[in-house]
Amino acid sequence: LAKTTQPISMDSYEGQEVNITCSHNNIATNDYITWYQQFPSQGPRFIIQGYKTKVTNEVASLFIPADRKSSTLSLPRVSLSDTAVYYCLVGDSFSFQGAQKLVFGQGTRLTINP
Amino acid sequence: GAGVSQTPSNKVTEKGKYVELRCDPISGHTALYWYRQSLGQGPEFLIYFQGTGAADDSGLPNDRFFAVRPEGSVSTLKIQRTERGDSAVYLCASSPQGNYGYTFGSGTRLTVV
Repeated sequence: LAKTTQPISMDSYEGQEVNITCSHNNIATNDYITWYQQFPSQGPRFIIQGYKTKVTNEVASLFIPADRKSSTLSLPRVSLSDTAVYYCLVGDSFSFQGAQKLVFGQGTRLTINP
Repeated sequence: GAGVSQTPSNKVTEKGKYVELRCDPISGHTALYWYRQSLGQGPEFLIYFQGTGAADDSGLPNDRFFAVRPEGSVSTLKIQRTERGDSAVYLCASSPQGNYGYTFGSGTRLTVV
């Protein structure tokens, strides 16, 4: 599984758009990019997944450039409840379908201030 | 149940004691995972079950750690001769293999004193 690099921590304010960038220089052709969110005292929760270009759901958007060596998770108009750790993971479809282990890095600790 | 249930939510034990951590996956989920998460770190893979059998136990740190899933549903993680370094949150996840839906439980916080 490709290694990922993301900032250790970020701070922002309520109502702002937050962008968290993840580097994955060794991503393979079959790899997908997936982001998980983890609140204190809870397990990680799936947010969004993409392969290329842009993906949007009710929670976030995921931007992936053509070379796929990085990706950016975008959270629109954040609130205090978006304070959490965000993990970027890269792996083939079997990984995210529960057929293989997930490999987590340290994640990005996002703090939203009033 | 509606989600992955882990019991107990907290466990404090003395160094050298034996502990069992239980995971009740979502009904019908064939894949079950155990992860360990230390403070400030991401979850670290321990073992993966497909049905009753351990498909990948490469993450178990040593032979003090063992896990079972005898009927393909509930799983128990067993730690013998606990050490202070075993203190962490132990997370369980289940998945209906073949579909997205990797669901984690809230974990068991193990503290070895």
